[in-house]
Amino acid sequence: ETGVTQSPTHLIKTRGQQVTLRCSSQSGHNTVSWYQQALGQGPQFIFQYYREEENGRGNFPPRFSGLQFPNYSSELNVNALELDDSALYLCASSLRGTGLHEQYFGPGTRLTVT
Amino acid sequence: DQQVKQNSPSLSVQEGRISILNCDYTNSMFDYFLWYKKYPAEGPTFLISISSIKDKNEDGRFTVFLNKSAKHLSLHIVPSQPGDSAVYFCAARGNNAGNMLTFGGGTRLMVKP
Repeated sequence: ETGVTQSPTHLIKTRGQQVTLRCSSQSGHNTVSWYQQALGQGPQFIFQYYREEENGRGNFPPRFSGLQFPNYSSELNVNALELDDSALYLCASSLRGTGLHEQYFGPGTRLTVT
Repeated sequence: DQQVKQNSPSLSVQEGRISILNCDYTNSMFDYFLWYKKYPAEGPTFLISISSIKDKNEDGRFTVFLNKSAKHLSLHIVPSQPGDSAVYFCAARGNNAGNMLTFGGGTRLMVKP
């Protein structure tokens, strides 16, 4: 059973550019949540995907968007990058209907916007 | 508006002693609380949880206490071990919020041998 994986590990982008981050769910999981963790802060919920549709969204602007694929892997896209988007981006996968303690996080992608 | 707060950014404890990590929340609609541990370069890993209908949950060396009237929870680690050194996050789920979690800012625990 493979865990949650994310790619790339690190990424440097310039303000105004676009970025795509990827997440592979743990085997058997059908729900993916994305979080942004700024330096020195806790993770903040961005959105969740279930059955390829957005299923809940936190307080993030529309330039943050996502996709979930039939194999339950997911992408996070951020357009028009701003300096404040620099953060660790975490994805977490789970099987809908199971307990929250069954939600597993990936190691994250560290995005630096210059 | 931070709905979940961990007011101590860091805590240092001697090996074998008790570690107490605290967390306060403001949203009375939170119905489930979790503690996560995070090592560098790894994602948060689930540690222990508690439902709002309980006031205590214990799992080995880890115990979580919930005081609903004070909107306060705490994580006790007894005895503390050097391997417990990590950043600890408390998180809360709102009623009917699915898997959406609201996290505190974290407390870095250092357990000295």
